[in-house]
Amino acid sequence: SQQGEEDPQALSIQEGENATMNCSYKTSINNLQWYRQNSGRGLVHLILIRSNEREKHSGRLRVTLDTSKKSSSLLITASRAADTASYFCAASQKTSYDKVIFGPGTSLSVIP
Amino acid sequence: NAGVMQNPRHLVRRRGQEARLRCSPMKGHSHVYWYRQLPEEGLKFMVYLQKENIIDESGMPKERFSAEFPKEGPSILRIQQVVRGDSAAYFCASSPLEGLLNTEAFFGQGTRLTVV
Repeated sequence: SQQGEEDPQALSIQEGENATMNCSYKTSINNLQWYRQNSGRGLVHLILIRSNEREKHSGRLRVTLDTSKKSSSLLITASRAADTASYFCAASQKTSYDKVIFGPGTSLSVIP
Repeated sequence: NAGVMQNPRHLVRRRGQEARLRCSPMKGHSHVYWYRQLPEEGLKFMVYLQKENIIDESGMPKERFSAEFPKEGPSILRIQQVVRGDSAAYFCASSPLEGLLNTEAFFGQGTRLTVV
């Protein structure tokens, strides 16, 4: 079963605006990761947030995690055209091993 | 320290042929995960392997697909008698022995399989 579910599926914003993507998951997790994928390319790891963390920053990225609601958000501030990509959350499930399950992704378009 | 290496990057097969996708994990990593990404979709978990062991193959189709991670050499994802629906990007990830509690899964660049 799918663990992460991103919302919205697609997002289109103007350059300079902020972009917020949300992710919900179903089971207890060890950590949650966000990845970016440019069209037809590989995955780029953006940020990892552990289950005991609530917020994490990296450059223009801000990730929050609410384990009570089983949700996470990724905020990209001051967006640029180069941020155009698909963004995936990936939850590392608490099972007998670290099973990483991806959501369907949010397709972000930043219009110059 | 080379990252996760997948080859080939692109693979074209005719229907009915076999496809072999290879994944060399990062140095020191003994866990390998395979994912499939259909066009315009997210990554779907297929199988998780440790050296010489399949730990979880719950995402792998029951027929035509198999995976191995031998003691020596890369992990292999094998698809027999490929069909058009197998066309996808296949990604491999690796993680260290201590798991993913404090680190991310490291992904390869993927193999894009096209079945014609």
